[in-house]
Amino acid sequence: DIVLTQSPALAVSLEQRATISCKTSQNVDNYGISYMHWYQQKPGQQPKLLIYEGSNLASGIPARFSGSGSGTDFTLTIDPVEADDIATYYCQQSKDYPWTFGGGTKLELK
Amino acid sequence: EVQLVESGGGLVQPGRSLKLSCVASGFTFSNYGMNWIRQAPGKGLEWVAYISSGSSYIYYAETVKGRFTISRDNAKNTLYLQMTSLRSEDTALYYCARPPNYGGYFDYWGQGVMVTVSS
Repeated sequence: DIVLTQSPALAVSLEQRATISCKTSQNVDNYGISYMHWYQQKPGQQPKLLIYEGSNLASGIPARFSGSGSGTDFTLTIDPVEADDIATYYCQQSKDYPWTFGGGTKLELK
Repeated sequence: EVQLVESGGGLVQPGRSLKLSCVASGFTFSNYGMNWIRQAPGKGLEWVAYISSGSSYIYYAETVKGRFTISRDNAKNTLYLQMTSLRSEDTALYYCARPPNYGGYFDYWGQGVMVTVSS
């Protein structure tokens, strides 16, 4: 299985930049597409898709969110961070079954 | 508006069975593959199973293979998850989630249904 590793927590100040990383145990690129996706989850809510295939912004997601990376190293950037962004963020790969998620990074206020 | 509504959860004893349902609306259900994803209390997300639009392709996580069965009824716009030989570690909130036509990510999620396995 492809293992996705995220830091458990990240402390950030409002209006600053947050950089959340996700490292995979195997390359999740294929034919020029990164099969890496990002979700936001707030307490008591279902996850919400933010970024798909590495860097594509999902519908209705503000441009403060961006995704980058390739191969085994990926990053979700929030710039600038707003109070509404305090949540847990998950990466997910769909290069191979079983599709797997990272353990999540909880974004906290400094 | 796309809607996914799960039901069928509850408290069940270890070793027993339970069947979850997810009723879909707002899109042509028969055109999309569907997934079950779960989240144990206070834990992260775990993909459980996938079924293609016509049920030709089915995949499971190793943790549930042989115990869970995903199925669908396109005439009823309904996705199912039959869970047998339940264990305490199956306790979780179970989400049904829809990927786009060609993609391995999940753009729509239900609210989830809680399954608690305990004696």
